Amino acid sequence: ELKVEQNPLFLSMQEGKNYTIYCNYSTTSDRLYWYRQDPGKSLESLFVLLSNGAVKQEGRLMASLDTKARLSTLHITAAVHDLSATYFCAVDLNSGYALNFGKGTSLLVTP
Amino acid sequence: KAGVTQTPRYLIKTRGQQVTLSCSPISGHRSVSWYQQTPGQGLQFLFEYFSETQRNKGNFPGRFSGRQFSNSRSEMNVSTLELGDSALYLCASSFETGSTEAFFGQGTRLTVV
Repeated sequence: ELKVEQNPLFLSMQEGKNYTIYCNYSTTSDRLYWYRQDPGKSLESLFVLLSNGAVKQEGRLMASLDTKARLSTLHITAAVHDLSATYFCAVDLNSGYALNFGKGTSLLVTP
Repeated sequence: KAGVTQTPRYLIKTRGQQVTLSCSPISGHRSVSWYQQTPGQGLQFLFEYFSETQRNKGNFPGRFSGRQFSNSRSEMNVSTLELGDSALYLCASSFETGSTEAFFGQGTRLTVV
């Protein structure tokens, strides 16, 4: 059974600081996704990582994938309040879209 | 372009009843997958349909079923509702395989009383 573990589950950080969210998974896969969810809203796709060593950046967020370590990271640079949300990583083992999600990291950015 | 549309947005049902939720994917997308989100269990995969065929299935009881029509619209049905079925049900649409993004709808909030 595929397990996807995120840490930390809760993160309170000050504006302007940097931090990294980790996503470990238990079975070999080369497809990993990051999503953002605001309270009461749906999931917004942030990154799709499809190969070992993949790195993608959008604004203050950068995601990377190490398939050998079964680890993905989501790095936040110089956090701003607008980044406050819950971030999910998800791994797909199959050929379609059977995504296994982590429990999410609830991020709060404070002044 | 239009996004993924889920209807209805909110539902209140009584234990023992059945419910049908609908998902209209983005035009041209042939894959529709369904997820259940609860505070306790998080996001769990229900099933995925591609070109009217169930391609993947999660670990949910047979009370949960789905189908996909020739226009790629999908429905999921839950029979004999239980209190624990109260959740946000999300569907995601994507073009083909896992090499592209999956876009989520706004969800249907189901409350079972």
